[in-house]
Amino acid sequence: DAGVIQSPRHEVTEMGQEVTLRCKPISGHNSLFWYRQTMMRGLELLIYFNNNVPIDDSGMPEDRFSAKMPNASFSTLKIQPSEPRDSAVYFCASTPPTAHVYNEQFFGPGTRLTVL
Amino acid sequence: LAKTTQPISMDSYEGQEVNITCSHNNIATNDYITWYQQFPSQGPRFIIQGYKTKVTNEVASLFIPADRKSSTLSLPRVSLSDTAVYYCLVGDIPQAGTALIFGKGTTLSVSS
Repeated sequence: DAGVIQSPRHEVTEMGQEVTLRCKPISGHNSLFWYRQTMMRGLELLIYFNNNVPIDDSGMPEDRFSAKMPNASFSTLKIQPSEPRDSAVYFCASTPPTAHVYNEQFFGPGTRLTVL
Repeated sequence: LAKTTQPISMDSYEGQEVNITCSHNNIATNDYITWYQQFPSQGPRFIIQGYKTKVTNEVASLFIPADRKSSTLSLPRVSLSDTAVYYCLVGDIPQAGTALIFGKGTTLSVSS
């Protein structure tokens, strides 16, 4: 089975540009998470969805960040306008509805974003 | 969520057993202890979870003392490929879809 799919794998953009990161969770999974990882701050949760509904977006750094999950198989994380401090690796993860025994999250390969 | 404390880094040689200890003094009755592993340029992956005593799987063992205020992840006979960051997480087994809170983790470097 395919794992969590993220695109693009690498993104280089200039400050002020809009950036859209995409995620396809594992089929059948009903929870989706967006994380950001930097050397300074480690791995931070940005937002997560249950059954396509945003549950907790308190980790979203500011209004420049937005996330959507229009259906069970697709989510986007948008940054508009982007700033150099947004440079990081962005991970998407998903869990199936029966994962609660282990709360095992399945992570994608990440998108490395560089904002110049 | 209980706060966890683990060493920032550890060094080892191939073939040695590595033990990474995590402190979680404020662990609650319903909390479980979960470890994730992250290789360079990859997302974290679940490796083991336990509530008390000892849990073993094909990757690692997890030792949890009776007071549950700490836990030790044990990697037997490490190889170069075990070089990774290891995260200790403590929290209640949630309804499906509850977020995980990652700390800084322990960077394990294995040398030949």
